[in-house]
Amino acid sequence: GDSVTQTEGQVALSEEDFLTIHCNYSASGYPALFWYVQYPGEGPQFLFRASRDKEKGSSRGFEATYDKGTTSFHLRKASVQESDSAVYYCALGPYGSSGNKLIFGIGTLLSVKP
Amino acid sequence: EAGVTQSPRYAVLQEGQAVSFWCDPISGHDTLYWYQQPRDQGPQLLVYFRDEAVIDNSQLPSDRFSAVRPKGTNSTLKIQSAKQGDTATYLCASSLMGRAETLYFGSGTRLTVL
Repeated sequence: GDSVTQTEGQVALSEEDFLTIHCNYSASGYPALFWYVQYPGEGPQFLFRASRDKEKGSSRGFEATYDKGTTSFHLRKASVQESDSAVYYCALGPYGSSGNKLIFGIGTLLSVKP
Repeated sequence: EAGVTQSPRYAVLQEGQAVSFWCDPISGHDTLYWYQQPRDQGPQLLVYFRDEAVIDNSQLPSDRFSAVRPKGTNSTLKIQSAKQGDTATYLCASSLMGRAETLYFGSGTRLTVL
């Protein structure tokens, strides 16, 4: 079945470091790709999406580009802050007859030291 | 605008006990989802509704889990006879038809089955 792979389980950085979290997908169709962020004690929050090849999604200084050739949607940020510490989920979809189903990756825990 | 509200916040049970989770979605959102999030994993869809109708419950363990949304607003997820493997956070999310890929999550109910 379709799936999302996040290769880093944890990333530890210092403030102002450059961030990359890798996301690769496997899909039979042409899904949209998403990034969600989850802070401790809260549910995941939508960060941004991209729907077609070479489209860039961005929000709050984070960005990712849909790359159909490499089946990737890597999350990047030029300069992280301590407040960015959270779990980041890559997701794809929507699926189902009503187009409402998202498939989430396992998540990457980002820890940023001041 | 109020977000998605879930209760209780925590639940601790012995194996074999029953438990119910309650969700109040964002007003006007016609689609409601229940996700299961085991520790250190991404959310996994259990069931979702459009108004009061179940659209997809293929991942819901039907022998012990049930979910209803009788008036197309609030929803209840019930586990009839909990097992240790049910230990997870149960997340409710809602969305608008036509913007189904942008899910709004509640803070979840953290269930521990001893």
